[in-house]
Amino acid sequence: EAAVTQSPRNKVTVTGGNVTLSCRQTNSHNYMYWYRQDTGHGLRLIHYSYGAGNLQIGDVPDGYKATRTTQEDFFLLLELASPSQTSLYFCASSVQGYEQYFGPGTRLTVL
Amino acid sequence: KTQVEQSPQSLVVRQGENCVLQCNYSVTPDNHLRWFKQDTGKGLVSLTVLVHENDKTSNGRYSATLDKDAKHSTLHITATLLDDTATYICVVGDRGSALGRLHFGAGTQLIVIP
Repeated sequence: EAAVTQSPRNKVTVTGGNVTLSCRQTNSHNYMYWYRQDTGHGLRLIHYSYGAGNLQIGDVPDGYKATRTTQEDFFLLLELASPSQTSLYFCASSVQGYEQYFGPGTRLTVL
Repeated sequence: KTQVEQSPQSLVVRQGENCVLQCNYSVTPDNHLRWFKQDTGKGLVSLTVLVHENDKTSNGRYSATLDKDAKHSTLHITATLLDDTATYICVVGDRGSALGRLHFGAGTQLIVIP
């Protein structure tokens, strides 16, 4: 079964702070995704990647950068965090996009 | 514009009762539809996937249907258990490949009480 891990699981920062969320998958999946989940909304795609060094823009990319350093590792960067970025963030991976395997999530609070 | 609508938003049932969750969507094309279970504070776990017109699937106490003409799916949970308490999310894929996008519903929160 696909294994996707995220760290940290919880993070609190202040407005203007610099935050990096990490995601690792150990199943050699080529696609990786970052989503945010907010009450009353479905998951929304921030960024995704189809391999090391590749980055694709999702549907809600403003205020976020991402970097895929290796096949396994995908990072989400918030360089000037704002309260509107308080959310539950999920990472996912897949072989070809058909079935995505999700990590446990990171709860980020921006004060 | 929301392309995947789920109803009800929340539902309370007694342990042992059956329940039905609804998903209506406007995503085009609609390659496949998947139901996920999300325990509080946890990730999404796939329950079942429906691909074909009038597809029906069964996974233990979970069964699902898909009507692509009506762009509608139902998830049935039989003889609910306390552990069924979770949010159930309907997701429509517009392609069967990495070229496609997943469109997520906001979920139905199911609470099972003793």
